Amino acid sequence: GQNIDQPTEMTATEGAIVQINCTYQTSGFNGLFWYQQHAGEAPTFLSYNVLDGLEEKGRFSSFLSRSKGYSYLLLKELQMKDSASYLCAAMDSNYQLIWGAGTKLIIKP
Amino acid sequence: GAVVSQHPSRVICKSGTSVKIECRSLDFQATTMFWYRQFPKQSLMLMATSNEGSKATYEQGVEKDKFLINHASLTLSTLTVTSAHPEDSSFYICSARGLADTGELFFGEGSRLTVL
Repeated sequence: GQNIDQPTEMTATEGAIVQINCTYQTSGFNGLFWYQQHAGEAPTFLSYNVLDGLEEKGRFSSFLSRSKGYSYLLLKELQMKDSASYLCAAMDSNYQLIWGAGTKLIIKP
Repeated sequence: GAVVSQHPSRVICKSGTSVKIECRSLDFQATTMFWYRQFPKQSLMLMATSNEGSKATYEQGVEKDKFLINHASLTLSTLTVTSAHPEDSSFYICSARGLADTGELFFGEGSRLTVL
């Protein structure tokens, strides 16, 4: 079956670095997405990886290892506004997104 | 970037009535639109996939006669919740994939439905 696993909740300190891991199993693979979702709002796109390696975009970076079915989202210089849920989603061979349950990130001062 | 507008953002209705939610791609043509529902503290659950000019494909367990989806043009898809019940109260979100089909989805703002 198709499955996405990511931690339910993480806590980090303002100014620090946090890494949110995601493992996936899909029928075929056409890329891995990370979305940020604040409570009561729709998700906003953060990153897309389809090749192995690290993609850096400002304070956020995303890594993919296709052979391991593994990705992580790295957030640096954490700010209070980064408190949100982070959704990992893998695209299968039919170009459908398989969503993880999301990781709730709590930032403490 | 591409913009998807969803309306209404919040709607409260009485049990037994029908509610229509619109999803529009404002600056691009969307070949495919997706409708999700999300319960509190849970992930997005895909309800159906709609392609312009054809019938929607519903996910297992989603009643197609209850959740009517119309994708009449490349910029508009509508979801109608018919004979709504309190258990239909949820956050409904649409997303669209552009013609370039880069894979990225553009999300609407979401619609919070409360059925009394």
